[in-house]
Amino acid sequence: DTGVSQNPRHKITKRGQNVTFRCDPISEHNRLYWYRQTLGQGPEFLTYFQNEAQLEKSRLLSDRFSAERPKGSFSTLEIQRTEQGDSAMYLCASTNPESGLEQFFGPGTRLTVL
Amino acid sequence: GQNIDQPTEMTATEGAIVQINCTYQTSGFNGLFWYQQHAGEAPTFLSYNVLDGLEEKGRFSSFLSRSKGYSYLLLKELQMKDSASYLCAVTEGGTYKYIFGTGTRLKVLA
Repeated sequence: DTGVSQNPRHKITKRGQNVTFRCDPISEHNRLYWYRQTLGQGPEFLTYFQNEAQLEKSRLLSDRFSAERPKGSFSTLEIQRTEQGDSAMYLCASTNPESGLEQFFGPGTRLTVL
Repeated sequence: GQNIDQPTEMTATEGAIVQINCTYQTSGFNGLFWYQQHAGEAPTFLSYNVLDGLEEKGRFSSFLSRSKGYSYLLLKELQMKDSASYLCAVTEGGTYKYIFGTGTRLKVLA
């Protein structure tokens, strides 16, 4: 098992463009989380899935953000019409409550919106 | 609502002991976690407390008091590589949503 992977690792885009990030969790983990982190802050919860079901989405998240986990394995996070304020590190984490509640994080995707 | 408070920065000397405090207020409680995050890297799990008391794991120990909404992370025999941010996180009751504090940046000096 290679752990949680995320692609791309870096993304630079122009304001107004759409971007999509991918997360591949640890294979036996049924819960998958997306977070956003800016410099000097802790990870900010965005949304989470149990298998393919999206169980909660942050009220802070605008309608420009959408996430999917169609087959209960990998997940995608899409940001439409990006804004400069979307520049951040986007972290994915997974967990399997049957083996422990600790989250395993991927390396993150750093988004820069110009 | 949820609120987690940690000191922003701490400085300690190599070989010393440091205690990083965390206070929280949540609607329900499923457990408290400590993560370590080096600059530019993802957080890595350190400890988990769900019952009151002390959990020891090598040089790191974590304490929880649920009645006081309080936890601390104790790092012994500090090493330069311990320079990092330490994140306190709680899980809300009834969900498995994790709420993170802003983190405490620890600087270990030679």
